[in-house]
Amino acid sequence: KAGVTQTPRYLIKTRGQQVTLSCSPISGHRSVSWYQQTPGQGLQFLFEYFSETQRNKGNFPGRFSGRQFSNSRSEMNVSTLELGDSALYLCASSLAGKGYTFGSGTRLTVV
Amino acid sequence: DAKTTQPNSMESNEEEPVHLPCNHSTISGTDYIHWYRQLPSQGPEYVIHGLTSNVNNRMASLAIAEDRKSSTLILHRATLRDAAVYYCILTLNSNSGYALNFGKGTSLLVTP
Repeated sequence: KAGVTQTPRYLIKTRGQQVTLSCSPISGHRSVSWYQQTPGQGLQFLFEYFSETQRNKGNFPGRFSGRQFSNSRSEMNVSTLELGDSALYLCASSLAGKGYTFGSGTRLTVV
Repeated sequence: DAKTTQPNSMESNEEEPVHLPCNHSTISGTDYIHWYRQLPSQGPEYVIHGLTSNVNNRMASLAIAEDRKSSTLILHRATLRDAAVYYCILTLNSNSGYALNFGKGTSLLVTP
């Protein structure tokens, strides 16, 4: 059974650019969440989608946005990148009532 | 959100049981207790969750105090592969849609 797939695995961007990260959940999972992990702040919740609707949002600026498609695949976008956005971005999917399964993440470096 | 307190680090010998404690004195009656772990260079991995009763699965056991103000994750026989950061997290319900509020967790070192 395929796990949660995140692409790309690594990304280098310049300050001011924007970036789009992709997440394919486990087949049948309709809930997809995004997290940011940095050495200083640890793992922080960004947002959660279910059936193409955002149900929960963390405390991040509006530069961080996401969406979910009808096949449950999700993308997150960060506009006007800042150096502080360098982080590991993790996606997780879930079947109702079960735990979340995380992907291996996308490592974003902003220079 | 209710807060959890875990030791920063713990150490165990391989093949011995490990008891990872978590205090959550402000837990509400509807909070579920979740445990996740993160191995080096990997995303977090779901371990177990429970509400009031003790829970067992193939990975671990979760012992919940009668007053629910604390819980303990039990690894019955630690292996080198169990070296990871373990997070104890409270959520409002066990269904999807909740946000996982990861704290600092407990870094478990397993020595041969």
